[in-house]
Amino acid sequence: QQPVQSPQAVILREGEDAVINCSSSKALYSVHWYRQKHGEAPVFLMILLKGGEQKGHEKISASFNEKKQQSSLYLTASQLSYSGTYFCGTLGSSNTGKLIFGQGTTLQVKP
Amino acid sequence: DSGVTQTPKHLITATGQRVTLRCSPRSGDLSVYWYQQSLDQGLQFLIHYYNGEERAKGNILERFSAQQFPDLHSELNLSSLELGDSALYFCASSGYSDSPLHFGNGTRLTVT
Repeated sequence: QQPVQSPQAVILREGEDAVINCSSSKALYSVHWYRQKHGEAPVFLMILLKGGEQKGHEKISASFNEKKQQSSLYLTASQLSYSGTYFCGTLGSSNTGKLIFGQGTTLQVKP
Repeated sequence: DSGVTQTPKHLITATGQRVTLRCSPRSGDLSVYWYQQSLDQGLQFLIHYYNGEERAKGNILERFSAQQFPDLHSELNLSSLELGDSALYFCASSGYSDSPLHFGNGTRLTVT
């Protein structure tokens, strides 16, 4: 039931791009993306809803393939501030209110 | 500042004891979620309340219980504490299911 994220860790140089994937074995109602910096609370990045609606920050882009139950988060022209752990969270298609997070992807951006 | 308040920030207690963690959601938010995060681990879903009613439950131990009060604040009660319960406990609130979760700063529980 827990979504699977890949890769587990990424190391980038400033200005490089990265893609983080999130995959579920169940039909989904929505996918959430959050970033957590060490010692801090997770912060909202994006929600992708069944049917194509997206809500989130303008500088973050993501996709949601409902048929494949997969989502991807695209980080372009990475900055040092992008470093942290990225979590995807999924709500099942019946929208029971059980938002389950993946194991996280650690992103490190180096100068 | 997310607008979600969790108290206390830190809690140190002994095995076998009972503690209560408190969460005040953002103004206007009806949903409260509780998550457990062990050292360098992911966010484990515990329970979700909506407007005072339990909406969804995760793999929450029987020693753990929660409730959401009429003023929408929530409490997570942990009893018969074990060393393995040491973790960061996050509360998050949202308006409805299509809304982002806003996380509090967490309560760090240490069981000795």
